[in-house]
Amino acid sequence: ETGVTQTPRHLVMGMTNKKSLKCEQHLGHNAMYWYKQSAKKPLELMFVYSLEERVENNSVPSRFSPECPNSSHLFLHLHTLQPEDSALYLCASSPSDPDNEQFFGPGTRLTVL
Amino acid sequence: QKEVEQNSGPLSVPEGAIASLNCTYSDRGSQSFFWYRQYSGKSPELIMFIYSNGDKEDGRFTAQLNKASQYVSLLIRDSQPSDSATYLCAVKEGGGSNYKLTFGKGTLLTVNP
Repeated sequence: ETGVTQTPRHLVMGMTNKKSLKCEQHLGHNAMYWYKQSAKKPLELMFVYSLEERVENNSVPSRFSPECPNSSHLFLHLHTLQPEDSALYLCASSPSDPDNEQFFGPGTRLTVL
Repeated sequence: QKEVEQNSGPLSVPEGAIASLNCTYSDRGSQSFFWYRQYSGKSPELIMFIYSNGDKEDGRFTAQLNKASQYVSLLIRDSQPSDSATYLCAVKEGGGSNYKLTFGKGTLLTVNP
């Protein structure tokens, strides 16, 4: 297991539900990321937070709402999702340069019914 | 739109052979390149990164970068069944603590005993 944890690991929700994904990193990193991984598609960057400020929003629908209360925690709030939002949602964190590795969490497998 | 292209495979090699994985990228200004390995059902983990033209070796892995031709490759010597996974090429954009990675779709490698 890496220093980045995600809960829950699996989530099934209806289109009218509201749920949240949680990510926590214990590595002292300054930046945190949300990615979406769908079958047969590249990892898609959704949001980037640097020092708790959002610095990137990659044209993600408003039904996905991120929150970064501190440098160790990142949330992704979900509401009125669509079946095509079913995917693996990965959280990652990284230190400042010159260290360049992004460390990934285990992911949350989301199924929207 | 910055793009990272990989042959999706599957690439099948016998145990003990050399596996060669290739990646091309569209942004000529890209400076840093990463290879991640992702086992089925798991999150990506970094294998190697490379910044300079030429070869970089780490154990059985060699990364090769040619910025003029905008390609980066990963060679795996003495391939083992445990190397069977999807290999993701990623290109870095930005710097400091809020850089981001653009990923290719990945190449599925199967090493046959």
